[in-house]
Amino acid sequence: AQSVSQHNHHVILSEAASLELGCNYSYGGTVNLFWYVQYPGQHLQLLLKYFSGDPLVKGIKGFEAEFIKSKFSFNLRKPSVQWSDTAEYFCAVTPSGGYQKVTFGIGTKLQVIP
Amino acid sequence: GAVVSQHPSRVICKSGTSVKIECRSLDFQATTMFWYRQFPKKSLMLMATSNEGSKATYEQGVEKDKFLINHASLTLSTLTVTSAHPEDSSFYICSAHGQETQYFGPGTRLLVL
Repeated sequence: AQSVSQHNHHVILSEAASLELGCNYSYGGTVNLFWYVQYPGQHLQLLLKYFSGDPLVKGIKGFEAEFIKSKFSFNLRKPSVQWSDTAEYFCAVTPSGGYQKVTFGIGTKLQVIP
Repeated sequence: GAVVSQHPSRVICKSGTSVKIECRSLDFQATTMFWYRQFPKKSLMLMATSNEGSKATYEQGVEKDKFLINHASLTLSTLTVTSAHPEDSSFYICSAHGQETQYFGPGTRLLVL
């Protein structure tokens, strides 16, 4: 069975600071990787996903993530955060192909201070 | 992106009653839907996988007789919490599977008094 770990549970940044949220997974085969975001009072939304191809994927709102297979990592980055990025971020993994259940990390709460 | 709705968004019920939560995929068909429970300060916990036209698959530790799931059409899955108790109070979230991606509903806050 797959598992996901997110190292930072609570991150506080000032506006314009750069962001990197760590995500590592464990699974023996090929995987699909996701980052979801949950803004205060809202539901989970897909930020970006990786299935195959270019390991650097770009998502909405200036976010990107890089899949490093050798490190089993899929870290989320943004060069300059805004106050509106305050939210909880979840990394998720599923085995590739078919209707597979998704395993989520515990989430990282990001607070951006204006 | 794909849209998933849930109804109701919030429900308060008395202990011992049953509550039904609906999950709908609005602009796509989903043969598979998932039901999660989200605890405060914890990640999503998968409860069950709902497959259209067949029985749901429950995760270990989830009582199938307590959490009844019906996936009668390609756009609707329902979760019924039977004989609800205060410990069932939680945030229940569904997702619908499309294009190898899960799209989430807004969640239902259940409070059992």
